[in-house]
Amino acid sequence: SQKIEQNSEALNIQEGKTATLTCNYTNYSPAYLQWYRQDPGRGPVFLLLIRENEKEKRKERLKVTFDTTLKQSLFHITASQPADSATYLCALFTSGTYKYIFGTGTRLKVLA
Amino acid sequence: GAVVSQHPSRVICKSGTSVKIECRSLDFQATTMFWYRQFPKQSLMLMATSNEGSKATYEQGVEKDKFLINHASLTLSTLTVTSAHPEDSSFYICSAREGFLSEAFFGQGTRLTVV
Repeated sequence: SQKIEQNSEALNIQEGKTATLTCNYTNYSPAYLQWYRQDPGRGPVFLLLIRENEKEKRKERLKVTFDTTLKQSLFHITASQPADSATYLCALFTSGTYKYIFGTGTRLKVLA
Repeated sequence: GAVVSQHPSRVICKSGTSVKIECRSLDFQATTMFWYRQFPKQSLMLMATSNEGSKATYEQGVEKDKFLINHASLTLSTLTVTSAHPEDSSFYICSAREGFLSEAFFGQGTRLTVV
């Protein structure tokens, strides 16, 4: 069956450390993958998109990697801050179905 | 990033009435818009995909006569929940993208409560 899993439901880290979130998928061939941030009661906010032929993307304190062999994407937030606390979602876009499939999300809490 | 505006952000309606939710792309032309439903502490569930000028494609299990979607222009899509029931109470979110390989941007979401 097709699945997208994000490493854990909740992740607590100390301020200043690097947060690493995982997105694993099975039985998909994504054309690209996106990461979003969602705060309670709000719609997701787009962060980064990485295509199947790209290994890594960076934006300020954010970094995304994409390994199509391992079927995994890693999302890193360096020098994390309490304001980074939110739920982070990964979403695959599959050219076969032309739609986005979302992971379950990881709730990140950065402790001051 | 691009801006997608969703309105209203909250709505309370009585059982049996209809509610319309609007989704607008403010600074780009959205060839495709998506409608999602999200239950508490769960991920987004795709309800339907709409391309401008075409009928929406609904996901399995989503009643097209109950959730009417119109994508009449490149900047506006609407979702109408008809004959609303309390079990339709949920968080509804739209997203839009400009091209096939473009990022999808989300609206702020609409909290619907049916009493």
